Amino acid sequence: GEDVEQSLFLSVREGDSSVINCTYTDSSSTYLYWYKQEPGAGLQLLTYIFSNMDMKQDQRLTVLLNKKDKHLSLRIADTQTGDSAIYFCAESISEKLIFGTGTLLAVQP
Amino acid sequence: GAGVSQSPSNKVTEKGKDVELRCDPISGHTALYWYRQRLGQGLEFLIYFQGNSAPDKSGLPSDRFSAERTGESVSTLTIQRTQQEDSAVYLCASSPSTGRSYEQYFGPGTRLTVT
Repeated sequence: GEDVEQSLFLSVREGDSSVINCTYTDSSSTYLYWYKQEPGAGLQLLTYIFSNMDMKQDQRLTVLLNKKDKHLSLRIADTQTGDSAIYFCAESISEKLIFGTGTLLAVQP
Repeated sequence: GAGVSQSPSNKVTEKGKDVELRCDPISGHTALYWYRQRLGQGLEFLIYFQGNSAPDKSGLPSDRFSAERTGESVSTLTIQRTQQEDSAVYLCASSPSTGRSYEQYFGPGTRLTVT
């Protein structure tokens, strides 16, 4: 079946690194994604990784993919208060995106 | 350029009434997707269109839900005889074509409240 799971909440101090974890069940996913949702704002694609890659780095963001364990993580370096938001992991199966329930990241000044 | 737009942004309706939600995709995007986000949850896939046809309707929760797309542009999602459990934010996304799910651009959503 299709299922994506994330922890619900993460709290970090400004300047620290944040690591948000996600597990998924469908090994046929072609892409895996991280989206950011801020209060009252739309869903913003942060980054994505092709399923045959292990790692992708984009400025402060690092995505790690462990296909064997079906585990995806998002590391945000030097976390800022503006990074406070809900982060959704998603996998693509055929044309649809299957989303996790989201992780609320709270950044303490 | 203009992004995906949705209307209305907010809709309050009484239980049992029908509602229509509208999505205007990015110009030239042939693929269009509808998702639902219930409070405190992730997005659930409802349906997608390639052009005017809907190859995958598997996410529609019941036969009260239907969607259509005309002219490879605007799409409407219709919910008949609304129930309280239909209360959610309905999000639309578009992409240049199918096979490019990594390029799904989302609209701001329509918040539906059924009283």
